[in-house]
Amino acid sequence: EVQLVESGGGLVKPGGSLRLSCVASGLTFTNHGLNWVRQAPGKGLEWVSFISTGSSYIFYADSVKGRFTISRDNAKNSVYLQMDSLRDEDTATYYCTTTGYGDLYSLIWGRGTLVTVSS
Amino acid sequence: DIQMTQSPSSLSASVGDRVIITCRASQGISNSLAWYQHKPGKVPRLLIYAASTLQSGVSSRFSGSGSGTGFTLTISSLRPEDVGSYYCQKYNNAPLAFGGGTRVEIK
Repeated sequence: EVQLVESGGGLVKPGGSLRLSCVASGLTFTNHGLNWVRQAPGKGLEWVSFISTGSSYIFYADSVKGRFTISRDNAKNSVYLQMDSLRDEDTATYYCTTTGYGDLYSLIWGRGTLVTVSS
Repeated sequence: DIQMTQSPSSLSASVGDRVIITCRASQGISNSLAWYQHKPGKVPRLLIYAASTLQSGVSSRFSGSGSGTGFTLTISSLRPEDVGSYYCQKYNNAPLAFGGGTRVEIK
C-alpha cells in the first residue's frame, strides 16, 4: 500500500520557522515528483511547491516564494518543506502529495500535518 | 499567472440528480486539468486527470470533459457519499493553481 506520512507541524510564532517532513512507502520514490499543498481553516486547497524526481526542477507559489524551501532525499524516500518567516496566513493543514507519472497533478496524498502560526 | 474559476461555489441537489460543476481557465491549458474530491474529515482524492481520464478505482458516475479554457465535472447520479468539496487544478506548468472549490450537499 502506498503511504505518505507527514510530520513536523505544530504551533509557531509569527516570524518563526518550521520544517515539515514527509516519508513515502510502497512506491518507487524516484519515479515521482512531489508537491506540497495546503488548506487553511475554512478555505480551499492551495498549491505550495513542487520538486521533480532529481530535484532539477523546483517551483513555488508566489505566496511562499523566498520564505519556503522544498527539498528531497531519495535515499530516505523523503521530502521536506523548510518554512521560514512564517505568517499568520500560513496557518493550514499541509499535505504532501506524489505526482502522476510524468505529470504534475497530485496522485497520492498524505493525511496532512497542521501548522498554526500564532502569537 | 493563469487563474482557475469554478462555479457554482456550492450546490444542493437530490439523490439521483445529475450534477455539473464547471471550471474555467483564464488562458488555454490544453487538457492539463485534474479534478479532486475532498470529503469532510478525509484526505483529498484524485478523481480525473487529463481533463477526462478517470483515475483507477473511481466510480464511473464521475466524468470530465473539456479542453483549452472550459471544463466540466459531471456526477451522473448523485449519491449521499458524494457530499464534499470538489476542486479543479491546472497542471500544465507552475503555478499549479486550484479553483476555488464547489461544495456539494444533498437536498
